[in-house]
Amino acid sequence: DQQVKQNSPSLSVQEGRISILNCDYTNSMFDYFLWYKKYPAEGPTFLISISSIKDKNEDGRFTVFLNKSAKHLSLHIVPSQPGDSAVYFCAATGRGGSEKLVFGKGTKLTVNP
Amino acid sequence: ETGVTQSPTHLIKTRGQQVTLRCSSQSGHNTVSWYQQALGQGPQFIFQYYREEENGRGNFPPRFSGLQFPNYSSELNVNALELDDSALYLCASSAGLAVTSPQQYFGPGTRLTVT
Repeated sequence: DQQVKQNSPSLSVQEGRISILNCDYTNSMFDYFLWYKKYPAEGPTFLISISSIKDKNEDGRFTVFLNKSAKHLSLHIVPSQPGDSAVYFCAATGRGGSEKLVFGKGTKLTVNP
Repeated sequence: ETGVTQSPTHLIKTRGQQVTLRCSSQSGHNTVSWYQQALGQGPQFIFQYYREEENGRGNFPPRFSGLQFPNYSSELNVNALELDDSALYLCASSAGLAVTSPQQYFGPGTRLTVT
């Protein structure tokens, strides 16, 4: 039973355009949602997070939107850069973040110059 | 400030053998979590240690065990290795259970291959 789902295995966008990565979840007990970026041969790197009491969080080129009623979140990258090419994981956790992270399978983003 | 480090980087073992993976947490962090990432999958939670005590365990059999030391470094031990144990093993550290910031900081991982 996959509690966090990323239904698009891959996404390709042109440099300078917007990248939108989507994530759905099933567990209503999740309190925090996080996005991690992973390059080959490296561990996941934290990008941005959002608490369940918010619907938007922004950090530079990265914005995460949360729709609790739809159990859906998305990561927007504007403008996309070739260095953003990586695998992006959506993750969720409960009880203020002290518990385990539950990850989706990831979406491979390719930004073409 | 040093980040999370893991050793070894790569490891090849034979089915039935035992393996120990090591992790040094980020400076100031007292919580360590271990994850298994199989090919094409997201990381899956194995267990978490907080101040040397196990604090939560995922759906992994007892042959997966761990330790956390007083300096907050950690070990993951896997006994009776199976072919399906081949994966990237990730260690992540965080600042503790009482904080509201949920970030866990990951090491580069250990690639385990079981033949």
